[in-house]
Amino acid sequence: KQEVTQIPAALSVPEGENLVLNCSFTDSAIYNLQWFRQDPGKGLTSLLLIQSSQREQTSGRLNASLDKSSGRSTLYIAASQPGDSATYLCAVGRGSQGNLIFGKGTKLSVKP
Amino acid sequence: KAGVTQTPRYLIKTRGQQVTLSCSPISGHRSVSWYQQTPGQGLQFLFEYFSETQRNKGNFPGRFSGRQFSNSRSEMNVSTLELGDSALYLCASSLDRRQYFGPGTRLTVT
Repeated sequence: KQEVTQIPAALSVPEGENLVLNCSFTDSAIYNLQWFRQDPGKGLTSLLLIQSSQREQTSGRLNASLDKSSGRSTLYIAASQPGDSATYLCAVGRGSQGNLIFGKGTKLSVKP
Repeated sequence: KAGVTQTPRYLIKTRGQQVTLSCSPISGHRSVSWYQQTPGQGLQFLFEYFSETQRNKGNFPGRFSGRQFSNSRSEMNVSTLELGDSALYLCASSLDRRQYFGPGTRLTVT
């Protein structure tokens, strides 16, 4: 059974710091991995999608890497800003089916 | 393009009642998935529909059901509501395996 873990559960950093969020999964047979952002009481915003054949994806200040063999993904946020404060969720997709298995998320707080 | 829309945004129901939630996917997306989010369990997959057929189902009791219409709009129904059904219900549509989520329906069962 696939399990997705995100550590730490919460993180507080000063503005401008570079930071890394971690995601691990137990079954390396994944189809893809997505990182999402969720603001309080809101839906999820897709940040980055990494296909199983890819090693990383970049969008602006965000960079996500994937190491299937070790069951790990990281989300790197450069020059963090208070507007980055949110919960970040990673989710793995399996096979041709559409469902995602989510981690519990990392709640990020960026202090001005 | 308009994003995924969900109605209603908030609902308060009483134990034992039933509820129907609606989701309109992004135009052209044929896959719709539903998830339940609670503080304790996080996000859990309910079911996925593709071209009006349920393609995949999570580990939820039969009180949770859904359907998809020919225009790809989807509904989910929860019968005989329990207090534990209080949650944020999220719908996502997908074209190329990248899932786009709606704002969710916040269901409170009293």
